Amino acid sequence: DAGVTQSPTHLIKTRGQQVTLRCSPKSGHDTVSWYQQALGQGPQFIFQYYEEEERQRGNFPDRFSGHQFPNYSSELNVNALLLGDSALYLCASSLLSGRTFSETQYFGPGTRLLVL
Amino acid sequence: DAKTTQPPSMDCAEGRAANLPCNHSTISGNEYVYWYRQIHSQGPQYIIHGLKNNETNEMASLIITEDRKSSTLILPHATLRDTAVYYCIVRVLRDDKIIFGKGTRLHILP
Repeated sequence: DAGVTQSPTHLIKTRGQQVTLRCSPKSGHDTVSWYQQALGQGPQFIFQYYEEEERQRGNFPDRFSGHQFPNYSSELNVNALLLGDSALYLCASSLLSGRTFSETQYFGPGTRLLVL
Repeated sequence: DAKTTQPPSMDCAEGRAANLPCNHSTISGNEYVYWYRQIHSQGPQYIIHGLKNNETNEMASLIITEDRKSSTLILPHATLRDTAVYYCIVRVLRDDKIIFGKGTRLHILP
């Protein structure tokens, strides 16, 4: 049973650049959530995608955007990178559809982004 | 803000039961108690969740008090691989997000 996968595992960018992170949900899941985890802090919710739409958004600026594809995979895009965007970016998947929905979110290993 | 309070750190001897407490005095009737753990630099790992009854799975047991204002996660026979930050979370099903607090850093001592 394939779990949540994320790519790349590590990334180095410079201020002002743009970055795209990718996530494939756990097999059978249809919902993807993104979180940012700064060093020494708990993960913070960025947004969630379901049926290719952003379902809810946390307190993050518009520089953070996302997309969900028909196969349920998702991308997180961050524009105009700041030094403070350096963090571990986590993707989590869950199942919202159907009678056997399982809203437990399962996390991927994360992408560590360093902005110089 | 997180709706739970956990001790910042705890120690447990290898092979003993680790009991991690969590206070959630403002929990609502439709909120579940979830536990995740995060081993260094990895993604959080789901452990267990419950509403009001005690729950057990292959990883741990969850004991929820009758008034639901607190709970305890029990790792029955702690090993060095259980060293991690443990997060106690309350959330409503179909809520989009998980709000993480600071968690408890559990050290397993050899």
